[in-house]
Amino acid sequence: DTAVSQTPKYLVTQMGNDKSIKCEQNLGHDTMYWYKQDSKKFLKIMFSYNNKELIINETVPNRFSPKSPDKAHLNLHINSLELGDSAVYFCASSRTSGGGMGELFFGEGSRLTVL
Amino acid sequence: AQRVTQPEKLLSVFKGAPVELKCNYSYSGSPELFWYVQYSRQRLQLLLRHISRESIKGFTADLNKGETSFHLKKPFAQEEDSAMYYCALSNQAGTALIFGKGTTLSVSS
Repeated sequence: DTAVSQTPKYLVTQMGNDKSIKCEQNLGHDTMYWYKQDSKKFLKIMFSYNNKELIINETVPNRFSPKSPDKAHLNLHINSLELGDSAVYFCASSRTSGGGMGELFFGEGSRLTVL
Repeated sequence: AQRVTQPEKLLSVFKGAPVELKCNYSYSGSPELFWYVQYSRQRLQLLLRHISRESIKGFTADLNKGETSFHLKKPFAQEEDSAMYYCALSNQAGTALIFGKGTTLSVSS
């Protein structure tokens, strides 16, 4: 019973194309995230949504547009793909509480390769 | 600025040897720190958090505010400890985690 699931796991596409990655969590969490892991394994926050509301947008190009149709879903759409977008994109979720950051639960990652 | 530094990209030890994965942070106020681990072909998952002050899989980490460090330690490494370890810091607003660049731990027999 997967907690945080992402699709697709692998995506190979040409420069200039538009692609989407979907994320769903069944943990009842109210906060969801997108992280980017580059070729050096560096994990960087891209976006954070809380109850469908954008909380964090970390200097990510406008070509990246997250969409949260409901609390359980956070999708990532990327326009005009560039070579530098090749990375592993991780979705995560957590429960917001007054006691600070909750534990992040991660998906398996979506490996995007732009040719 | 909030920052997490993991100075070692790779740490190789023999089974049974002590392990210390270094983590230093930059933060104004009281930081909230975590260690996450990614085993081969598995998801990134929480290993421990400083407020819990617990030992998980034999690993401990103590927050040293004077040295702004949160090093991860284990007295006797096991082969199954081989993984990528990330130190992470909650951002000032408590809305996301800032990760270090990670350290790959390789334990060989």
